[in-house]
Amino acid sequence: EVQLLESGGGSVRPGGSLRLSCAASGFNFNIFAMSWVRQAPGKGLEWVSAIFGNGFTTYYADSVKGRFIISRDNSRNTLYLQMNSLRADDTAVYYCARYAGNPIEKWSFDYWGQGTLVPVSS
Amino acid sequence: QSVLTQPASVSGSPGQSITISCTGTGGAFGGYFSVSWYQQHPGKAPKLTIYDVTNRPSGVSDRFSGSKSANTASLTISGLQAEDEADYFCSSYTGTNTWVFGGGTKLTVL
Repeated sequence: EVQLLESGGGSVRPGGSLRLSCAASGFNFNIFAMSWVRQAPGKGLEWVSAIFGNGFTTYYADSVKGRFIISRDNSRNTLYLQMNSLRADDTAVYYCARYAGNPIEKWSFDYWGQGTLVPVSS
Repeated sequence: QSVLTQPASVSGSPGQSITISCTGTGGAFGGYFSVSWYQQHPGKAPKLTIYDVTNRPSGVSDRFSGSKSANTASLTISGLQAEDEADYFCSSYTGTNTWVFGGGTKLTVL
């Protein structure tokens, strides 16, 4: 059974940093691209970042580019999101999600974690 | 800037069929780009409901179906049930190494 379990969320002040983790199990982690998707309270879904299975190719939404870093440790089956220079509008539930499908134009998010809340407030 | 536009809300009575539209502009749905749909109940994680326009993942009811014409994709739910009441989001690759979600549609089962 595929499972994704996020951790690391919690209150942080504007300008602060936080690192989220997503522990994966039940599938061959190193062959799947992974992503982070966030949802502000009462709002819709926003794609944040993606990383290929080898960890060398990464993509970011303009809203987080230069502040967030996605990475993965395939030996630990874990995905990370390092969030720096946090702002109030980064407040959201952060989900990790697995990509499925080929080619990239057909990728969808087939499994999701339960999410971890990151409130950014002074 | 790729944008996917969904109606804010739709409603239907049990047993009826409803359709949620998702219109792409600015590159979203360009050419061969696919679309996927996600169901989200309150306080829960999104769940993949339709992928690659028309395909249902294992375990998703065949009451859910997807289609696409030009720059508009649609999710149809037939035989509406109370458990279908949820938020629904469409999503697509934009062609510039990013993905976009629609704003979401709240489905109310009357």
